[in-house]
Amino acid sequence: EAGVAQSPRYKIIEKRQSVAFWCNPISGHATLYWYQQILGQGPKLLIQFQNNGVVDDSQLPKDRFSAERLKGVDSTLKIQPAKLEDSAVYLCASTRGLGGELFFGEGSRLTVL
Amino acid sequence: SQQGEEDPQALSIQEGENATMNCSYKTSINNLQWYRQNSGRGLVHLILIRSNEREKHSGRLRVTLDTSKKSSSLLITASRAADTASYFCATDRIQGAQKLVFGQGTRLTINP
Repeated sequence: EAGVAQSPRYKIIEKRQSVAFWCNPISGHATLYWYQQILGQGPKLLIQFQNNGVVDDSQLPKDRFSAERLKGVDSTLKIQPAKLEDSAVYLCASTRGLGGELFFGEGSRLTVL
Repeated sequence: SQQGEEDPQALSIQEGENATMNCSYKTSINNLQWYRQNSGRGLVHLILIRSNEREKHSGRLRVTLDTSKKSSSLLITASRAADTASYFCATDRIQGAQKLVFGQGTRLTINP
């Protein structure tokens, strides 16, 4: 079965610009996660979807970050405007239901100059 | 906020030796998982241990869980150069939203 797909793999932007990341989870996986991983740190959960509803977005900086999950399948994470501290790898993961093993994509590496 | 804390932060051993990494957490959990991340790649699931289990094996991996001490350990036996990676524990808490919270990781280097 195909894995979690993410794009773009790399993005370089200047501060105050906007950027969007796309994720296509494994077919049939109801739960989708976006994590932010700063270099040298563990992944930090930004937002969790169950189908197309938000389960948890308590650590999402809502003044600049937004995310949606279209029709309970694909998801887009947007940052507008970007700050230097947003430089990180943005990881998408999916799983069939709540709990259990997460399947991760390769991530989208963002550099903000 | 980070739930799990791995120890040590970095570990360097010779090929063939065993590697042990520890994870401590703060709140009661449903399960604890270990993941591996090769440089520049996504995370890969290694093993899941439930709160009512004490030990689990998968190939060269052995995971223990002590809920009374709120700690877990990951043992990799007969290490290989390909085991070089970062290893993260993640916990799924009982209370609140069922989200997986990761620790800071242990960077493991296997020297040939």
